[in-house]
Amino acid sequence: QVTLKESGPGILQPSQTLSLTCTFSGFSLSTYGMGVGWIRQPSGKGLEWLANIWWDDDKYYNPSLKNRLTISKDTSNNQAFLKITNVDTADTATYYCARIADYGPFFDYWGQGVMVTVSS
Amino acid sequence: IQMTQSPSLLSASVGDRVTLSCKAGQNINNYLAWYQQKLGEAPKLLIYNANSLQTGIPSRFSGSGSGTDYTLTISSLQPEDVATYFCQQYNSWTTFGGGTKLELK
Repeated sequence: QVTLKESGPGILQPSQTLSLTCTFSGFSLSTYGMGVGWIRQPSGKGLEWLANIWWDDDKYYNPSLKNRLTISKDTSNNQAFLKITNVDTADTATYYCARIADYGPFFDYWGQGVMVTVSS
Repeated sequence: IQMTQSPSLLSASVGDRVTLSCKAGQNINNYLAWYQQKLGEAPKLLIYNANSLQTGIPSRFSGSGSGTDYTLTISSLQPEDVATYFCQQYNSWTTFGGGTKLELK
């Protein structure tokens, strides 16, 4: 059974760095073809893809945010991470991690999401 | 690649055949997925590669289209289908549409 769960700080101030953790089970990021992505959703709005990381440590970033994003993984502990530097109020959103289906770069299992508020 | 969904809000009755549209800014070669998001929940994958039904999804959901124009069809709307539906292209990086909110009339 595949599960994912996000964790984060809840609230942080503008200009700080947001650190998110995705803890998953039911698959391994050391397995050929596996990947995890991060997607966010401001309240009442649409979805925005942020970054993907693959089993071979290949990484892809949303070009519009690339300079602020860092994705990484800890294979031994079944975790993936996302850092966003220099946050501002526009980064307030629910952040999801999701497994990338091994038959295509879309997302077949999602976490419940973690809400992050940027406020002074 | 910009993805435009229409309509943004759709009201329909139980049993209706419902069609949701997703238009890409350029040819995405059928690299399109559809997701259903119920209020307060994470999105759920319904369709991938434009017309392949994800395992466990009811057969009343189907996807079609090609090039820049894609459609999600619900053949007979059920009360549990009330949700917002998003399309996602993965031909070039990945982008999502703005969503169609489906409600009961």
